[in-house]
Amino acid sequence: QSVLTQPPSASGTPGQRVTISCSGSSSNIGSNYVYWYQQLPGTAPKLLIYRNNQRPSGVPDRFSGSKSGTSASLAISGLRSEDEADYYCAAWDDSLSWVFGGGTKLTVL
Amino acid sequence: EVQLVESGGGLVQPGGSLRLSCAASGFTFSSYSMNWVRQAPGKGLEWVSYISSSSSTIYYADSVKGRFTISRDNAKNSLYLQMNSLRAEDTAVYYCAREALGEFAFDIWGQGTMVTVSS
Repeated sequence: QSVLTQPPSASGTPGQRVTISCSGSSSNIGSNYVYWYQQLPGTAPKLLIYRNNQRPSGVPDRFSGSKSGTSASLAISGLRSEDEADYYCAAWDDSLSWVFGGGTKLTVL
Repeated sequence: EVQLVESGGGLVQPGGSLRLSCAASGFTFSSYSMNWVRQAPGKGLEWVSYISSSSSTIYYADSVKGRFTISRDNAKNSLYLQMNSLRAEDTAVYYCAREALGEFAFDIWGQGTMVTVSS
């Protein structure tokens, strides 16, 4: 059971906009930044969003993050087939540990 | 090229020990905090341990506290994870991950090394 809660799956057709939610608590998302990672099949995770809504260089602006209270979300617009991957949210917890969501498998139909 | 390469994984019996290594290259290793993150087969990511650039601050997940020890050798550009009293539930791919300067983001990940705990 992961500390952060994500839907196990999401889907969309090419060109659509999809959102993935991430729910936590006052000790993690509520008081710290949220990060998002993308894991393509058979590869290591890759940083997608940091500090709630910042994109590292090289990440397309189709990806955006937001946070409100103890919840966060990742939005992907103009969905492409190469976006098919597992997505994880993460946050530092005040108990001095990193916590991850259980991951959301995104399928591009 | 900025790179992290893990090694040391393998098959070990329950109760056994294993030492993982992570070799860093292409950046000033001694300036960065580092982490270990694992992923059980077919499961999600689980943070394991953190070590600051100077080794002055170390954190562990409750699931490994007292059994695993993180360390680093800045002269050798290497990160380590000593794993003792291994259990079946420790079976996973273990990734080392760099923490971005000034941020808490894991900006560089290794390819991972597989640890299987089984009799």
